[in-house]
Amino acid sequence: QKEVEQNSGPLSVPEGAIASLNCTYSDRVSQSFFWYRQYSGKSPELIMSIYSNGDKEDGRFTAQLNKASQYVSLLIRDSQPSDSATYLCAVNPRMDSSYKLIFGSGTRLLVRP
Amino acid sequence: EAQVTQNPRYLITVTGKKLTVTCSQNMNHEYMSWYRQDPGLGLRQIYYSMNVEVTDKGDVPEGYKVSRKEKRNFPLILESPSPNQTSLYFCASSLSGQLTYGYTFGSGTRLTVV
Repeated sequence: QKEVEQNSGPLSVPEGAIASLNCTYSDRVSQSFFWYRQYSGKSPELIMSIYSNGDKEDGRFTAQLNKASQYVSLLIRDSQPSDSATYLCAVNPRMDSSYKLIFGSGTRLLVRP
Repeated sequence: EAQVTQNPRYLITVTGKKLTVTCSQNMNHEYMSWYRQDPGLGLRQIYYSMNVEVTDKGDVPEGYKVSRKEKRNFPLILESPSPNQTSLYFCASSLSGQLTYGYTFGSGTRLTVV
């Protein structure tokens, strides 16, 4: 079982719609969770971090965390063509022997004008 | 501006010719790491460093070396590059090894080995 799973997509939404990106993880003791946006050929850019259950909003982005169900999601409101990118979910597993973030394979988002 | 700087951005080299990709951060971060990204395989960690003179292998360390003589610098060395090391490489840093605030990534180095 993959440690962090994402649907590869592409997820296609019309401009102005809400895009919903989901991520599940396997390590129950994970403490911190991140969403990165990556444009093709560019480096991942941190857009949201979340540490406790519930919602966290930042502009058009909302991250949602449910530790009991082991999922984290990202909502993008009023989607714009410039939001078209691959979104990577990353988890900090906090295992003693693992000093790295675990990344999902990413969901490709396409926002149609 | 707080950033991670990688050089070069693009590199084409021949099999067996030693090369170094530099990485420098100006945020006084303790933790630094190298990743490679390949289609279908995602981001894979090569090496990481918890602090000066403390380095350890990641998931795919074969064919790579690193050093951390200064806090700000973490170069990636390919002593004898091979075509299977053709990839997109990212350096990343974080305030500490607890990774509480995630990574800041460099802009990437696209390496082609022919």
